[in-house]
Amino acid sequence: AQSVTQLDSHVSVSEGTPVLLRCNYSSSYSPSLFWYVQHPNKGLQLLLKYTSAATLVKGINGFEAEFKKSETSFHLTKPSAHMSDAAEYFCVVSDQLTGGGNKLTFGTGTQLKVEL
Amino acid sequence: NAGVTQTPKFQVLKTGQSMTLQCAQDMNHEYMSWYRQDPGMGLRLIHYSVGAGITDQGEVPNGYNVSRSTTEDFPLRLLSAAPSQTSVYFCASRSPGLAGGGTGELFFGEGSRLTVL
Repeated sequence: AQSVTQLDSHVSVSEGTPVLLRCNYSSSYSPSLFWYVQHPNKGLQLLLKYTSAATLVKGINGFEAEFKKSETSFHLTKPSAHMSDAAEYFCVVSDQLTGGGNKLTFGTGTQLKVEL
Repeated sequence: NAGVTQTPKFQVLKTGQSMTLQCAQDMNHEYMSWYRQDPGMGLRLIHYSVGAGITDQGEVPNGYNVSRSTTEDFPLRLLSAAPSQTSVYFCASRSPGLAGGGTGELFFGEGSRLTVL
């Protein structure tokens, strides 16, 4: 069975400093992995996705994530935080079902706070 | 291009009442789904549909009903509201995955905030 663990429920950084949001997953097959962002009172928006191509994935707004199979991790990073990055971030794993189709599993989210 | 549109944005119900949350998408996506979001629990799948006339249960289907008569619309019905159904509900459609490219992208509506008293 697949699962996703976001290791920090809250992360606080100063504006201009690096961001690291951690995600570990378990999956029986070669999964697709995603990071979504949710700003207050909004729906989720795709930041980036990994689908078995390059292990370093670049997304929108300067975010990137590295797929490390040996560590079963897909951590999200950004070199320099901006106030507008304050939001909740969700790591998502997608596995193929034996009968066809995909199953998506969401992590419980990491709330990113950016301080001046 | 409106994407995924949900109505209403806010709703207050009394226990036992029924209501329908509407969801429409204009991207011609076959796959549509409903999630509920509760603090500390991420998003949990309620029901999904892989095309018009086809629906299936997700993780937490009890107390909810869906239908899919057209590609565009995927309403979620609460049959007899309970306080445990107080939540934020998101409708999402999914683009088709590319060959060898894994799962497509989910497109979310802005959510419907439901309170059941």
